[in-house]
Amino acid sequence: DTEVTQTPKHLVMGMTNKKSLKCEQHMGHRAMYWYKQKAKKPPELMFVYSYEKLSINESVPSRFSPECPNSSLLNLHLHALQPEDSALYLCASSREALGQWGNQPQHFGDGTRLSIL
Amino acid sequence: AQSVTQLGSHVSVSEGALVLLRCNYSSSVPPYLFWYVQYPNQGLQLLLKYTTGATLVKGINGFEAEFKKSETSFHLTKPSAHMSDAAEYFCAVSEKPGANSKLTFGKGITLSVRP
Repeated sequence: DTEVTQTPKHLVMGMTNKKSLKCEQHMGHRAMYWYKQKAKKPPELMFVYSYEKLSINESVPSRFSPECPNSSLLNLHLHALQPEDSALYLCASSREALGQWGNQPQHFGDGTRLSIL
Repeated sequence: AQSVTQLGSHVSVSEGALVLLRCNYSSSVPPYLFWYVQYPNQGLQLLLKYTTGATLVKGINGFEAEFKKSETSFHLTKPSAHMSDAAEYFCAVSEKPGANSKLTFGKGITLSVRP
């Protein structure tokens, strides 16, 4: 069992839909991350939240909108996605964000597999 | 800038054989190094990490890795492969505090284990 919980596990949506991905952790971690992973590729960092504030945005298109309502929750709001956005979206958390205490390992959820029709 | 090189895309070993997955890094400052494993339809799981201190690091599931600064390497080994080790393995590097650093992953390597 992973300590980072992501819902839903699978999501199919049309290009005009609005949906949200959810991530939850109860390890007391203060840094949370969104990654995008294509098949047979490494994860690509999208966003980093540190103490509920957005600290890194890797030039992600505005059709992806992150939100961190509190220290345990992280959302990714999706709107007007493109077929190339189909991927596995991984959430991770760590005790502190990299750059502050760089040796803190990230704990990953099992991801949401997103398909855009 | 930091980077990770994992040569090859696929390694196949027999059950019971030695597993060796290679990782070389580039970093302008002393790095933190990690190995992650990803089983099908799952997220990434931390196998082991090197931060400071002992250069031989032991991880979960019988894996270990040795940090060799002179060779800028952090190769992952396991003495005896098990069928359950079949998965995707990622080496990753982050720079020590003080830099606005991120976790940079290698491209990954698929490990197959033959009966």
